[in-house]
Amino acid sequence: DAKTTQPNSMESNEEEPVHLPCNHSTISGTDYIHWYRQLPSQGPEYVIHGLTSNVNNRMASLAIAEDRKSSTLILHRATLRDAAVYYCILRLMDSNYQLIWGAGTKLIIKP
Amino acid sequence: EAQVTQNPRYLITVTGKKLTVTCSQNMNHEYMSWYRQDPGLGLRQIYYSMNVEVTDKGDVPEGYKVSRKEKRNFPLILESPSPNQTSLYFCASTRGEGASEQYFGPGTRLTVT
Repeated sequence: DAKTTQPNSMESNEEEPVHLPCNHSTISGTDYIHWYRQLPSQGPEYVIHGLTSNVNNRMASLAIAEDRKSSTLILHRATLRDAAVYYCILRLMDSNYQLIWGAGTKLIIKP
Repeated sequence: EAQVTQNPRYLITVTGKKLTVTCSQNMNHEYMSWYRQDPGLGLRQIYYSMNVEVTDKGDVPEGYKVSRKEKRNFPLILESPSPNQTSLYFCASTRGEGASEQYFGPGTRLTVT
């Protein structure tokens, strides 16, 4: 079964880069890697997604390992507003585009 | 403003009393889903709908029903709620099956006693 594994929590200082790791060793060739985040008392919010190549957008960067068994979400300059639970997710393209969610990493930002 | 709305936001009910949680989106999205979120388990998909009158089971459909009579609405029905359905529920929508970004509602916290 498709699955992702993330650390339970991480701490970082404000205005420093943050690297959030994710292992997905069971990923298949067509599965996309998605990241969402959930701020306190809110619904999840899309961050970024990718398949094989590294991706950048206004929120973050996604670095995908060459064998695709792991990936890293990079926040280039974390602010207090980035404190949230970050979820690494597999989108199963062969299974009605189902999203398989990990348990998430709680990111704590220290001022 | 593009959004997904859910009602109610909070609900406390008793075992066996039928309830419906409504979900509505104003983005003309085809694909809608229901998830439940429990501590340590992330989000698990209950049901999804790829278009009007097209619904299918997700990972944890037991004890739930859905309907999709019109594009914007996707209600979640608990015919006979039980305490193990106490959870935080999220509705989500996206443009189409392969579209990347899902938009989530604010959540409904359900307690069944």
